[in-house]
Amino acid sequence: ETGVTQTPRHLVMGMTNKKSLKCEQHLGHNAMYWYKQSAKKPLELMFVYSLEERVENNSVPSRFSPECPNSSHLFLHLHTLQPEDSALYLCASSQDQRGAGEQYFGPGTRLTVT
Amino acid sequence: GQQLNQSPQSMFIQEGEDVSMNCTSSSIFNTWLWYKQDPGEGPVLLIALYKAGELTSNGRLTAQFGITRKDSFLNISASIPSDVGIYFCAGHLHYGGATNKLIFGTGTLLAVQP
Repeated sequence: ETGVTQTPRHLVMGMTNKKSLKCEQHLGHNAMYWYKQSAKKPLELMFVYSLEERVENNSVPSRFSPECPNSSHLFLHLHTLQPEDSALYLCASSQDQRGAGEQYFGPGTRLTVT
Repeated sequence: GQQLNQSPQSMFIQEGEDVSMNCTSSSIFNTWLWYKQDPGEGPVLLIALYKAGELTSNGRLTAQFGITRKDSFLNISASIPSDVGIYFCAGHLHYGGATNKLIFGTGTLLAVQP
């Protein structure tokens, strides 16, 4: 595997379900990010991890819970979501959380909340 | 907050035509990035610009970092059908101790008629 991978690619869940999104980066980076992409809106940064430590939480509801066990893996745990949470969830990584800015994205997980 | 105005919102062109799109900001940036996103996929980094006035090419793509550091443009020459997608600009402002936070434009949808 190369680059940034995400699983699953598609997920349909009910509002009472608990699920997790997984991201893995194979680039040797030490910063990882979760973004939400909704139709007709700019990409919204949700969480930033640097060296496995959360350094930013952009006022994201607690029904989204990130986890970064090491610098290569990032999870987003989901529980009691709302239909408006349906979106494309993108993971990204970068060389350094204070670097020149280049972030590399995974293919995303298309989430539908029913 | 910081905003990026990206224009045009959409473009419908004939194969072989040249394309130009731009981003403007109310704030200055240290880095400008251009991404392309295909349907159902994550954004792919096309070009990164690090210095005001810098002009960088990647094949048929050329991007420039505006001299005021508040704008950037992307040109695509001799468009082909596989250029179809959404193009995003992103600006990065690194200031001491801050996270590697990108501000994204709203995207330009490009459609190419064969």
